[in-house]
Amino acid sequence: KQEVTQIPAALSVPEGENLVLNCSFTDSAIYNLQWFRQDPGKGLTSLLLIQSSQREQTSGRLNASLDKSSGRSTLYIAASQPGDSATYLCAVRGSGDKLTFGTGTRLAVRP
Amino acid sequence: DTGVSQDPRHKITKRGQNVTFRCDPISEHNRLYWYRQTLGQGPEFLTYFQNEAQLEKSRLLSDRFSAERPKGSFSTLEIQRTEQGDSAMYLCASSYRASNYGYTFGSGTRLTVV
Repeated sequence: KQEVTQIPAALSVPEGENLVLNCSFTDSAIYNLQWFRQDPGKGLTSLLLIQSSQREQTSGRLNASLDKSSGRSTLYIAASQPGDSATYLCAVRGSGDKLTFGTGTRLAVRP
Repeated sequence: DTGVSQDPRHKITKRGQNVTFRCDPISEHNRLYWYRQTLGQGPEFLTYFQNEAQLEKSRLLSDRFSAERPKGSFSTLEIQRTEQGDSAMYLCASSYRASNYGYTFGSGTRLTVV
């Protein structure tokens, strides 16, 4: 059974800092990995999708890497802003076509 | 196309009542998924459809839960005889069948059972 772990559970940083969120998964037989953002009481917004054959994806200030063999992914946020404050969820799509989620990292960026 | 739509956004119901939620996926997507998320947790899989066929149901989906996707378009999730433990955010997502596509989620329906 696939298990996804996200570290840290919560993070508070001053504005402008670069930061890294970590995601690990136990079963490396995945099709892809997706990073989502969730604001309080809201749905999920997709940030980046990395295919199993890819090593990284970039969008603006966000960069996600994937090391499938070791079961790890990182989300790098450059020059953080207060508007980046949210919960970041990592999810892997494996056999059975379901997404398995981690419990998320709650990020607070202080002005 | 404006993405995945869910209705209602919020629902407060008394214990024992039945509730029904609706999800309208992105029209080109043939797969539709339901997830449930409780406070502080990641979403958990409930069930999914390919077109109108329900392909898998989680053991989380008790006999009080039923989902349909008539004609492979919108989907409904019904909870009968609601319990306080059903209070959660119910999320709908859609995707293409191909495994290299990502999911698109709706804004969710927040259910509170009092």
